[in-house]
Amino acid sequence: DTGVSQDPRHKITKRGQNVTFRCDPISEHNRLYWYRQTLGQGPEFLTYFQNEAQLEKSRLLSDRFSAERPKGSFSTLEIQRTEQGDSAMYLCASSLEQVYNEQFFGPGTRLTVL
Amino acid sequence: AQTVTQSQPEMSVQEAETVTLSCTYDTSESDYYLFWYKQPPSRQMILVIRQEAYKQQNATENRFSVNFQKAAKSFSLKISDSQLGDAAMYFCAYRSAPGGSEKLVFGKGTKLTVNP
Repeated sequence: DTGVSQDPRHKITKRGQNVTFRCDPISEHNRLYWYRQTLGQGPEFLTYFQNEAQLEKSRLLSDRFSAERPKGSFSTLEIQRTEQGDSAMYLCASSLEQVYNEQFFGPGTRLTVL
Repeated sequence: AQTVTQSQPEMSVQEAETVTLSCTYDTSESDYYLFWYKQPPSRQMILVIRQEAYKQQNATENRFSVNFQKAAKSFSLKISDSQLGDAAMYFCAYRSAPGGSEKLVFGKGTKLTVNP
């Protein structure tokens, strides 16, 4: 399968714990995005990388959230001191740098904070 | 900031019939892209159709077509000959033209049910 992959697919954690999610983009894609989707809502943008550079961050990305993309390949999203409000689906997408810049989405990681 | 509004939380259609999903948006930009994404239950989101704001001609992809009204800031999706596999959440999304923000701004979605 050459699509965007995310790991884990599901994560259950207790409030206050740290969690880390991984995203592997389509191999030739140099752009990578993170979104958060809560129940009944559309995805909300969190952050965007071009290669290894983090070029755009949403105000939703509080200081408890950090994202990295070392070497411009896979990316990790870490949430520290999780809160119940962090429960959501975390979506990763990737794209090529081109005019239309179609974003291809992964299956998401569903986080439940107890 | 740009916003996208989908005023129909749920829609239903009979198999083989036609359905139209509504979307309005707000922006001060003159050049941008609009998209419709489909999110089937427990499956990943896929692009259905896109429209460049500078193009007057409405985009068409097989059974899917859009009605883009730039002045009214309206972007509706028409699904013809509906099939059971069309059942999904449909999201309207906005993106700035190259040089602007790379993020997609999504509406809240419309859940489409297709009845056999």
